Amino acid sequence: GQSLEQPSEVTAVEGAIVQINCTYQTSGFYGLSWYQQHDGGAPTFLSYNALDGLEETGRFSSFLSRSDSYGYLLLQELQMKDSASYFCAVRDRGTGTASKLTFGTGTRLQVTL
Amino acid sequence: ETGVTQTPRHLVMGMTNKKSLKCEQHLGHNAMYWYKQSAKKPLELMFVYNFKEQTENNSVPSRFSPECPNSSHLFLHLHTLQPEDSALYLCASSPNDRGLGYTFGSGTRLTVV
Repeated sequence: GQSLEQPSEVTAVEGAIVQINCTYQTSGFYGLSWYQQHDGGAPTFLSYNALDGLEETGRFSSFLSRSDSYGYLLLQELQMKDSASYFCAVRDRGTGTASKLTFGTGTRLQVTL
Repeated sequence: ETGVTQTPRHLVMGMTNKKSLKCEQHLGHNAMYWYKQSAKKPLELMFVYNFKEQTENNSVPSRFSPECPNSSHLFLHLHTLQPEDSALYLCASSPNDRGLGYTFGSGTRLTVV
């Protein structure tokens, strides 16, 4: 089966940098995704890493090390609106042609003044 | 709006009721998913449909019955639910490209009384 671990809560100050780690155990690994979910809202896609290394998208970056079964999401220049839950998710092969996502428990990020 | 529309947004039902959740997407995606989100738990995959065919049933009790009449619509029929089934039910869709993320709807908040 699959399992993912990430910290339950992180607090950081506006303007700071925060890193949210994710370790996983899975078979048939395709890649690691990150999603953001505000309270009462839908999870929204942030990034996807299929290969080792760092992917940068604006203030957000995501890193993957397949050999270590480890990844992280890096948020820079934190803003109050970044307060949300962040989920890592492993994409692996499901039955048939559609892949499937297995999610971690989520990290609640609180940005303070 | 994310492009995936779920109705109703909120639903309260008794344990003997029958109700249905609806999900609709016009993003041209081939795969559609039902996820369950409970407090302090990871998103749990329930069902996967690809080109209208069910490809995953994640050991979901038979009181949840999915239906996918076409690639744009997905239903979740509910009957004789239990209070522990109270949760946020999220629908998502994706193309089959591994590198692109899922698009989630805002969910149906279900309360079973």
